[in-house]
Amino acid sequence: ETGVTQSPTHLIKTRGQQVTLRCSSQSGHNTVSWYQQALGQGPQFIFQYYREEENGRGNFPPRFSGLQFPNYSSELNVNALELDDSALYLCASSLGNPGLYNEQFFGPGTRLTVL
Amino acid sequence: RKEVEQDPGPFNVPEGATVAFNCTYSNSASQSFFWYRQDCRKEPKLLMSVYSSGNEDGRFTAQLNRASQYISLLIRDSKLSDSATYLCAYPGTYKYIFGTGTRLKVLA
Repeated sequence: ETGVTQSPTHLIKTRGQQVTLRCSSQSGHNTVSWYQQALGQGPQFIFQYYREEENGRGNFPPRFSGLQFPNYSSELNVNALELDDSALYLCASSLGNPGLYNEQFFGPGTRLTVL
Repeated sequence: RKEVEQDPGPFNVPEGATVAFNCTYSNSASQSFFWYRQDCRKEPKLLMSVYSSGNEDGRFTAQLNRASQYISLLIRDSKLSDSATYLCAYPGTYKYIFGTGTRLKVLA
């Protein structure tokens, strides 16, 4: 196990609702990245948090927002849910920017279904 | 052109077979690459890193061809337990860029 935890594991919402997903990073890791993985696709980068600040963002609308707390845990919030938001949401933690010498470790993911 | 392209498969192979997947990338400046294994409805797990010509770990060999901008993953003596989706990725700014993955089914 990587030590990265996410909650909840599964979630069902309806269009227009709001959702908050949570991630606890691996001990000692100060960087959390969020990815969305739709069925049959690879993970797509949403944003990264480092020292409680958004440090980079992918091609996602502003209704996707996040937070990082002093203990490096993080939240992903999605407002005004759409059907296409149904996906596996993955959190990954690393020590600094992920790369060859800074492996990122994925949590088990939260499977969101929007009806 | 997509940043990372993979044949989605599925590749159906018998136990004991050798199978290879390719992954092409568009960013010629990329220095390091990764192969991840993802089981159904689970998170990706790092299988191998590649940052020079290649890397080998038991039955798995990853190779990098910079001239043609692709990486490959070779699996020898396939096991039933190798059935999974294999994702390639490389680190961009702040993020990893993933391909769509290649599905492998090893058949008894």
